Amino acid sequence: DAGVTQSPTHLIKTRGQQVTLRCSPKSGHDTVSWYQQALGQGPQFIFQYYEEEERQRGNFPDRFSGHQFPNYSSELNVNALLLGDSALYLCASSLLESKNIQYFGAGTRLSVL
Amino acid sequence: QKEVEQDPGPLSVPEGAIVSLNCTYSNSAFQYFMWYRQYSRKGPELLMYTYSSGNKEDGRFTAQVDKSSKYISLFIRDSQPSDSATYLCAMSASSGGYQKVTFGTGTKLQVIP
Repeated sequence: DAGVTQSPTHLIKTRGQQVTLRCSPKSGHDTVSWYQQALGQGPQFIFQYYEEEERQRGNFPDRFSGHQFPNYSSELNVNALLLGDSALYLCASSLLESKNIQYFGAGTRLSVL
Repeated sequence: QKEVEQDPGPLSVPEGAIVSLNCTYSNSAFQYFMWYRQYSRKGPELLMYTYSSGNKEDGRFTAQVDKSSKYISLFIRDSQPSDSATYLCAMSASSGGYQKVTFGTGTKLQVIP
């Protein structure tokens, strides 16, 4: 049973560019959440998707957007990249009825130069 | 003031010691309490999950929640070098049927053989 998979594992971009990160949830899971983890910090909640709609959002600007597809996979898009966007981006999947039991992927490490 | 406060450590203990990790929180709406373990360059892994005040034990791990004091703890008995990792506390509150999870900054633990 495959767990949560994220791609790519590493990414280098320059300021002002746009980036798309991808996530495939654990088999059977219907809810996907995205987190940003800066070095030495805990994960910060970006947003959560269920039934292809954004259901919850953390304190992140509109430059951060997402999408969930009918197969429950998800994308995180970040526009107009800033140096401060450099971080590990984590995807977590869960079942809505077991909403707090989240399984995390290994993350995508984004470096903005 | 952060909603969740966690001592970042680092905490260094000899093999076999009992480890105590703690978090305090300010949001009375938090209902669910979790502990995650994160190895370097990996995603967080769920260790313990509790709903109510009291203790929950799983092998060498015991999670303790005191809602009246807004304080949670994780105890690790007979610590092993393989327990060396960053431990993240996490808490969630319900909003419109969906859960928003807030993490602490993490405590880095090193168990010395």
